[in-house]
Amino acid sequence: DVKVTQSSRYLVKRTGEKVFLECVQDMDHENMFWYRQDPGLGLRLIYFSYDVKMKEKGDIPEGYSVSREKKERFSLILESASTNQTSMYLCASSFGLLASQETQYFGPGTRLLVL
Amino acid sequence: GESVGLHLPTLSVQEGDNSIINCAYSNSASDYFIWYKQESGKGPQFIIDIRSNMDKRQGQRVTVLLNKTVKHLSLQIAATQPGDSAVYFCAVDGSGNTGKLIFGQGTTLQVKP
Repeated sequence: DVKVTQSSRYLVKRTGEKVFLECVQDMDHENMFWYRQDPGLGLRLIYFSYDVKMKEKGDIPEGYSVSREKKERFSLILESASTNQTSMYLCASSFGLLASQETQYFGPGTRLLVL
Repeated sequence: GESVGLHLPTLSVQEGDNSIINCAYSNSASDYFIWYKQESGKGPQFIIDIRSNMDKRQGQRVTVLLNKTVKHLSLQIAATQPGDSAVYFCAVDGSGNTGKLIFGQGTTLQVKP
C-alpha cells in the first residue's frame, strides 16, 4: 500500500512565524503535491514537484514556498504565517511522467491554526 | 479553464439503498477521472478511476460511469452502508495544465440507519 505521511496532524502557530510542513512518501513516486482544503472551496493546489529540486506553482502559491531535496520528501514552508493561512493542508504523491494522468495518494492532512 | 462541479452538496440515503453521486466537467479533452472518499478528519482516499476510452468500470460495490457526450461522471454505491458516510470528490485531469488534477467541491453522503 502507498503510504503518505505528514509530520503533524494539528499545529497552532502565531502570526508572523515561519512554519514547516513535512510530507514523506514511501513508494518512490516522482510527483508530490501540496493542497489546502477549505470549506466551500474544495482542494486548491499550492505547489507541486515532479522531480527532486524541481517545483511548479499551483493555483495559489502566494505566501508559500516548497523544498524537495530528496525524492521521498516534500516540504511546504509558510514564510510568515498569516491568519488567512488557517486551513487543512494535504500532501499527495503520484507515480509517472504525466502527473495529471495518475492517481494521487493523499496523506492524513495537517490542520493548521494561525492565531 | 477547466472546471468541475458536483450536482448536490449533500445526499441522504437509507442504509441498504443504492447511492448515486454526480459530477460534471467542462473540458472535453479530459482523459482521466478519479473518485475519492474523505472521511471526517482524514485525507482523501482513492476509490476508483476511469479513463476516457471506457464508459463504465466496476469495483467492489462501486461503479463509475462516464458519459463523454454530456461531460458527466457518476459514482454508484450499491447497498450503501453506514461506513460509506463521507464526502465524495471527483477529480479530472486538467488537460492542458500539466500535472494538475481538478477537484470538485465534494458531495456529503449521509447514510440513515
